[in-house]
Amino acid sequence: TQLLEQSPQFLSIQEGENLTVYCNSSSVFSSLQWYRQEPGEGPVLLVTVVTGGEVKKLKRLTFQFGDARKDSSLHITAAQPGDTGLYLCAPGQGGSEKLVFGKGTKLTVNP
Amino acid sequence: DTEVTQTPKHLVMGMTNKKSLKCEQHMGHRAMYWYKQKAKKPPELMFVYSYEKLSINESVPSRFSPECPNSSLLNLHLHALQPEDSALYLCASSNKKAGTSGSSEQFFGPGTRLTVL
Repeated sequence: TQLLEQSPQFLSIQEGENLTVYCNSSSVFSSLQWYRQEPGEGPVLLVTVVTGGEVKKLKRLTFQFGDARKDSSLHITAAQPGDTGLYLCAPGQGGSEKLVFGKGTKLTVNP
Repeated sequence: DTEVTQTPKHLVMGMTNKKSLKCEQHMGHRAMYWYKQKAKKPPELMFVYSYEKLSINESVPSRFSPECPNSSLLNLHLHALQPEDSALYLCASSNKKAGTSGSSEQFFGPGTRLTVL
């Protein structure tokens, strides 16, 4: 069974600060997705990373896939209250349609 | 249209009621999913339909009965639920084909907030 850990579990920061959240596993991923879920809504896909060492940028968000494809990080620059939400990572399951989420990082950005 | 819609948005039901949750997508996706999400937890997979056939059932109790009438619609029929079944029920779709190596990027609906009294 693949062990997937997200850290920190909770993060509360002030608007304008930078932050990084992590997704780590004992297994190698074929790919990894990051989602953000706002309260009362469904998760929204932010990015998919596939290649070891890959870096993808989405405005103020920077996603990195570890060289060994066992871990990933999400860095947010100059956080805004609109970034508040639950950040979930989900590794690809190879040939399966399943998606298994990590426990998530709950981010609160205070104005 | 890149949207997954779910109805109703909120549902309150008694333990003897029968109700149904509905999900619709028009992205041509051939995989559709039901997830259950309790407060402060990640979504947990319940069922997967691939090409309108049930491909994964994560040992869900029979009081939850999924149905896929066509490639755009997914229902979840509820009967004799328990208060602990109260949760956010999320529907999702993807273009993932079982047995292929492509990633399973999923598009989620807004969910149905279910309360069982």
